Amino acid sequence: DIQVTQSPSSLSASVGDRVTFTCRASQNIGTFLNWYQQKPGKAPKVLIYSASSLQSGVSSRFSGSGSGTDFTLTISSLQPEDFATYYCQQTYTAPRTTFGQGTKVEIK
Amino acid sequence: HLVESGGGLVTSGGSLRLSCAASGFTFSRYAMTWVRQAPGKGLEWVSLIDGAATYMYHEDSLKGRFSISRDNAKNSLFLQMNSLTAEDTAVYYCARLDADVEGLIDYWGQGTLVTVSS
Repeated sequence: DIQVTQSPSSLSASVGDRVTFTCRASQNIGTFLNWYQQKPGKAPKVLIYSASSLQSGVSSRFSGSGSGTDFTLTISSLQPEDFATYYCQQTYTAPRTTFGQGTKVEIK
Repeated sequence: HLVESGGGLVTSGGSLRLSCAASGFTFSRYAMTWVRQAPGKGLEWVSLIDGAATYMYHEDSLKGRFSISRDNAKNSLFLQMNSLTAEDTAVYYCARLDADVEGLIDYWGQGTLVTVSS
């Protein structure tokens, strides 16, 4: 099975900060990597697909990069509505898929 | 629009059937999936079914206890869960797979809570 590990598990940041967090796959998954945002009590929402493609309707302050085993999600200027938990998902083994354990972004 | 139902409190060893009513898109054209989230934990993929109900896939650790199905005439998705344990306590999300990007989940329901008491 392919494992995906996110780091850090949580971080504190301020509005306006540039924030980057990572997702590492246990083996080469090409660009079969998606990112989701989840707010408390809500369903996840897709932000980035295929490692670097911005989902329609998502703010351009979100960007993704990487391929192979190492991936990053960057928020260029953190906004109040961005405080949430972010999950990566590998789809190399689709239809079976696995998620990372999440990175929680909290207000400093 | 995806609306789950059927969650609730069940005793260990019991069964539960979750439903998901879909609207606003041509249901039969999309693969559908269930993803669960235990309280305070991350997301865990559970099951997937293709649009024609030809192929079904389940997380290996479920050991045959869960079964996914669909009724395209009624725009509905189901998850039959048997031999439930406390470890199955979670919010269960019904979700749609993107038609173009394999494995991408593009729409999610709001979830239904399943609580298994021991």
